[in-house]
Amino acid sequence: QKEVEQDPGPLSVPEGAIVSLNCTYSNSAFQYFMWYRQYSRKGPELLMYTYSSGNKEDGRFTAQVDKSSKYISLFIRDSQPSDSATYLCAIAGNTGKLIFGQGTTLQVKP
Amino acid sequence: GAVVSQHPSRVICKSGTSVKIECRSLDFQATTMFWYRQFPKQSLMLMATSNEGSKATYEQGVEKDKFLINHASLTLSTLTVTSAHPEDSSFYICSASRDSHTSETQYFGPGTRLLVL
Repeated sequence: QKEVEQDPGPLSVPEGAIVSLNCTYSNSAFQYFMWYRQYSRKGPELLMYTYSSGNKEDGRFTAQVDKSSKYISLFIRDSQPSDSATYLCAIAGNTGKLIFGQGTTLQVKP
Repeated sequence: GAVVSQHPSRVICKSGTSVKIECRSLDFQATTMFWYRQFPKQSLMLMATSNEGSKATYEQGVEKDKFLINHASLTLSTLTVTSAHPEDSSFYICSASRDSHTSETQYFGPGTRLLVL
């Protein structure tokens, strides 16, 4: 079993739609949860960072963590074509080492 | 902001040659640098963690004699792929952190695409 599971998609939505991206993880010891956006042939860019269960909002992005279910989500409101990218979830413990999900490819169509 | 650069951005080499990739933190001192590898349509896999002035810590299954890592200063780490073979073709990405124990402060470089013929 992989430590982090993420549906690779691809996910295609119309502009303005609400996008829901999800990951599950297996080890309850992980404490830090992140979402990265990666454009083609570029390095990942940190979008959201959380360390507790609940919601965290930043503009059109909302990160949600449910530690009891080992489930994390990223919601994108009013999606734009510029949001088209691969979204990677990542988890970490106290060592600072990140474990990434496979990434979900998102396409937002005008 | 914190900027991390990589050089070269793309390299093509013949099988059996060695390739050096540089990772620089441009506006901060990086206590720790991480090297990742990403195959097409796959996630980033951590290869090794390096701390300035000490030997790198390699992940299980990563050959330390093949992937040489040097972190000689607080702003520069290098990854040398020795005797590269076609199966080493991949996207290599570094990240840099001021603090080795805080996951949030890992800033990623733009990546280096390696193609071994």
